[in-house]
Amino acid sequence: DQQVKQNSPSLSVQEGRISILNCDYTNSMFDYFLWYKKYPAEGPTFLISISSIKDKNEDGRFTVFLNKSAKHLSLHIVPSQPGDSAVYFCAASRMSGGTSYGKLTFGQGTILTVHP
Amino acid sequence: DAGITQSPRHKVTETGTPVTLRCHQTENHRYMYWYRQDPGHGLRLIHYSYGVKDTDKGEVSDGYSVSRSKTEDFLLTLESATSSQTSVYFCATGQGPNYGYTFGSGTRLTVV
Repeated sequence: DQQVKQNSPSLSVQEGRISILNCDYTNSMFDYFLWYKKYPAEGPTFLISISSIKDKNEDGRFTVFLNKSAKHLSLHIVPSQPGDSAVYFCAASRMSGGTSYGKLTFGQGTILTVHP
Repeated sequence: DAGITQSPRHKVTETGTPVTLRCHQTENHRYMYWYRQDPGHGLRLIHYSYGVKDTDKGEVSDGYSVSRSKTEDFLLTLESATSSQTSVYFCATGQGPNYGYTFGSGTRLTVV
């Protein structure tokens, strides 16, 4: 049972345009969401996160939107740059729940390619 | 990230042999995790630790065991390696999800 899903395996955009990466989740107990970026032969690096008490969080060119009723989040990158080309993973967690605290459940990842 | 070291970085082993992967951190983080990355599956949690000697299973724990005898080290052992355990293994550490976990550079394991 895939509790976190990224239904688009890949996305291609032009430099300077907006990149929108989507993520859906099924477990209503998730209350914290994160995005990670991964380059080949490296570990994932933390990008941005959002708590379920918010619907938007911004950090420079990166904005994450959360729609709790739809169990959907998205990552917007504006403007996109060639260096943003990487695999992007969304992840979900529970901030409560005893020993389950902090466990991250990841989506399958979306390969973003930004063309110059 | 210099605060997390995974060893070895690459390993080829034969089916049926035991294998131990090591994750070492200098961040004094409470939480440590082992994930595996496979095409089409993203990152899947194998085992995690929420303190010294406190560990629990993740979603793909069969065939794996872990130990954490001190804060800095989290060991992942494949009791008897199988070809289905060929994967890239990542260790992650952190103080909690709201701080954003830090991942190591990964160990590429091939079981032949």
